[in-house]
Amino acid sequence: SAVISQKPSRDICQRGTSLTIQCQVDSQVTMMFWYRQQPGQSLTLIATANQGSEATYESGFVIDKFPISRPNLTFSTLTVSNMSPEDSSIYLCSVVWPGIKNTEAFFGQGTRLTVV
Amino acid sequence: TQLLEQSPQFLSIQEGENLTVYCNSSSVFSSLQWYRQEPGEGPVLLVTVVTGGEVKKLKRLTFQFGDARKDSSLHITAAQPGDTGLYLCAGVLAGGTSYGKLTFGQGTILTVHP
Repeated sequence: SAVISQKPSRDICQRGTSLTIQCQVDSQVTMMFWYRQQPGQSLTLIATANQGSEATYESGFVIDKFPISRPNLTFSTLTVSNMSPEDSSIYLCSVVWPGIKNTEAFFGQGTRLTVV
Repeated sequence: TQLLEQSPQFLSIQEGENLTVYCNSSSVFSSLQWYRQEPGEGPVLLVTVVTGGEVKKLKRLTFQFGDARKDSSLHITAAQPGDTGLYLCAGVLAGGTSYGKLTFGQGTILTVHP
């Protein structure tokens, strides 16, 4: 398994500003992912953080709004840029650990973002 | 279009009752997982099923993967208040090329009253 530390755990931000969320893993992993989740609802994949190359974004998410860094195999950041109240959500980082068909995912505790 | 249809979305029951959560799709999955999430925490993996018809048991929880690998169910026997949480099914599409990319169902919020 993997231990994932995500910070901040929560923040309240002014609209128009940006917030960078950090995700630190206790071991090297190939695949890291960033998700968004409304409280009590399912997860929506934002992007796959690729080490050494640009992130791969899902439909509806763009690099200018959600720039991602992946400088090494244990760390990634997600920035939520030029925030609006619609960006209020829980943001989760996830890693896939080699296991049954390489699908066993582990998650950070999430960052609860409120934009006012 | 929701690839994984999870139902019900909400379930409120009394302690001791049994319940089943369903996850259905028209697509074939190479594997399917169930997660449980509590407020303020990330989802935690409960089980992975990979073989059509597979049944796995985890104490009072029974997980089943459909024969055609298009559906799955989670059955909880004699539910307890500690089972309260958000349950999520997630799968990897068969033949998919995106390593580790999971498709999630909509989630089921389970509340077990003492």
